[in-house]
Amino acid sequence: GGIITQTPKFLIGQEGQKLTLKCQQNFNHDTMYWYRQDSGKGLRLIYYSITENDLQKGDLSEGYDASREKKSSFSLTVTSAQKNEMAVFLCASSIAGTGGSQNTLYFGAGTRLSVL
Amino acid sequence: DAKTTQPDSMESTEGETVHLPCSHATISGNEYIYWYRQVPLQGPEYVTHGLQQNTTNSMAFLAIASDRKSSTLILPHVSLRDAAVYHCILRSMATGGNNKLTFGQGTVLSVIP
Repeated sequence: GGIITQTPKFLIGQEGQKLTLKCQQNFNHDTMYWYRQDSGKGLRLIYYSITENDLQKGDLSEGYDASREKKSSFSLTVTSAQKNEMAVFLCASSIAGTGGSQNTLYFGAGTRLSVL
Repeated sequence: DAKTTQPDSMESTEGETVHLPCSHATISGNEYIYWYRQVPLQGPEYVTHGLQQNTTNSMAFLAIASDRKSSTLILPHVSLRDAAVYHCILRSMATGGNNKLTFGQGTVLSVIP
């Protein structure tokens, strides 16, 4: 088995601040994802990456940057934190970016962001 | 990915069998049905998935209607550890299509001792 580690677990930022969230996986998976989850809502895809140095926009990419430095790591940057923003950012990985029934997503525990 | 409809919440007692319904009336032929569950302070956890045939694993039984427009996740003999939000999701088999997994609000399952 493997694990996805997200750091930090909790992040408190100031309005306008640039904030970086990190994600590491040891599954040796090709594809990694960043999702945002707001209270009482479903997950929305921010960015995903199908291989090292690849970057694909999701439905919610505006206001964010991402970087796939190596196969095992995928970082997300909030370019300018919004006042009173509160959300959970979830990182996930899967075997490959192509179709198939085995392409299950495995998630980290999340980073909880609060902006003062 | 096509949308799914689930009840907002359901309640069960420990030891009972729970049936969690999901409607996906606009499902297309190349979409799999996936179920994930999420407990507080954790990310979603894979439960099961299927295409057309019913499937079973150590966690649950997935019953898929013959027209594929609905499915039911069946949890036998639930325990307190099964209390979670259960998400029913459709995922395309097309290349690149399965990357945009869309989660709704899911069903909050409460389990009473």
